[in-house]
Amino acid sequence: EVQLVESGGGLVQPGGSLRLSCAASGFTFSNFWMTWVRQAPGKGLEWVANVKQDGSEKHYVDSVKGRFTISRDNAKNSLYLQMNSLRAEDTAMYYCGRGEFWGQGTLVTVSS
Amino acid sequence: DIQMTQSPSSLSASVGDRVTITCRASQGIRNDLGWYQQKPGKAPKRLIYAASSLQTGVPSRFSGSGSGTEFTLTISSLQPEDFATYYCLQHNSYPYTFGQGTKLEIK
Repeated sequence: EVQLVESGGGLVQPGGSLRLSCAASGFTFSNFWMTWVRQAPGKGLEWVANVKQDGSEKHYVDSVKGRFTISRDNAKNSLYLQMNSLRAEDTAMYYCGRGEFWGQGTLVTVSS
Repeated sequence: DIQMTQSPSSLSASVGDRVTITCRASQGIRNDLGWYQQKPGKAPKRLIYAASSLQTGVPSRFSGSGSGTEFTLTISSLQPEDFATYYCLQHNSYPYTFGQGTKLEIK
């Protein structure tokens, strides 16, 4: 059974940093592009970033470029999102996934 | 960036109704489009991939069509569990973009 479990969310002040993690199981993690999407409270889904199987290619939505870094550790079957210089508008539920499989999300709240 | 314009933004319908949701891309995206269902407090669930292919395990009352710039998601006979919010997602060029969503409510 495919499982994706996000962690690392929480309350952080504007300008602060957080690192989200996503633990994958039930499939060959190293075979797939992996993705982060987010959803601000009461809003729609927003694609954030993805990373190629070997980590050699990464793509981001413009609003997070230069602040967020997506990475992966295939030996640990884990996906990460390092989030720096956080803003109030980054407040959202963050989901990791691939295509048909998504985790249940981790909530990031940016507030003073 | 490719803009995905989804319509309608909300829809009231009854059990048994046939409903259609449309996504229009600001430029051609071949068939690089998926449809997702999301219920409150839950992760998105992909229903359709490659514009018209039904995800394994998804009921056959869901169907997708289109190519290029115009895409539709059709539910042939609404069931109580189908009341949710639906999104399209283009994965033709970066950044990938979602439509703004269609909230399907019970009439």
